[in-house]
Amino acid sequence: AQSVAQPEDQVNVAEGNPLTVKCTYSVSGNPYLFWYVQYPNRGLQFLLKYITGDNLVKGSYGFEAEFNKSQTSFHLKKPSALVSDSALYFCAVRDARNFNKFYFGSGTKLNVKP
Amino acid sequence: EADIYQTPRYLVIGTGKKITLECSQTMGHDKMYWYQQDPGMELHLIHYSYGVNSTEKGDLSSESTVSRIRTEHFPLTLESARPSHTSQYLCASSERGGRTDTQYFGPGTRLTVL
Repeated sequence: AQSVAQPEDQVNVAEGNPLTVKCTYSVSGNPYLFWYVQYPNRGLQFLLKYITGDNLVKGSYGFEAEFNKSQTSFHLKKPSALVSDSALYFCAVRDARNFNKFYFGSGTKLNVKP
Repeated sequence: EADIYQTPRYLVIGTGKKITLECSQTMGHDKMYWYQQDPGMELHLIHYSYGVNSTEKGDLSSESTVSRIRTEHFPLTLESARPSHTSQYLCASSERGGRTDTQYFGPGTRLTVL
């Protein structure tokens, strides 16, 4: 079965510090991995994705994610956090057999304090 | 900002009422999805469609039904609303045939059933 896990309900960082939001996955076959961000009272917005190629994927708003096959992880990172990055972040994986299905993690609330 | 719209944004309704949540996209995407999300929680796929006249149930059991008569429109209907249906409903769309299937989400409908 395909699934993703986000072990942290909440991550707190100070503005200007680097941030990491963790995600691990379980898939059969090659993983297609995604990160989305959700601001209050809004839908999810696409940040970045990993399909194949370089393990370091760059996305929107200065975010990047590192794919690590041996650790089955796809952690989201940013070198310098902004207060405006405070939001709910979701990791997702596409079903390897049914390309119409996606499985989302439980979300991690990122709090960036001034 | 993606061109995908949901109405109403907020709905409070009594038990037993029939309701339809609207979702429209102007991107010409073939694939559309409905997710159910409790506040701050993971998304659960309840319905999806990969084209006109095609609909499938997702992994989460739902008493709702959907239709896809036009490419741009994917309404979700509850024949008899119950308090257990109280949740946020997110609509999304993506291109068909793409390897990546990046999803674009609407702003969501927050439903409260009294």
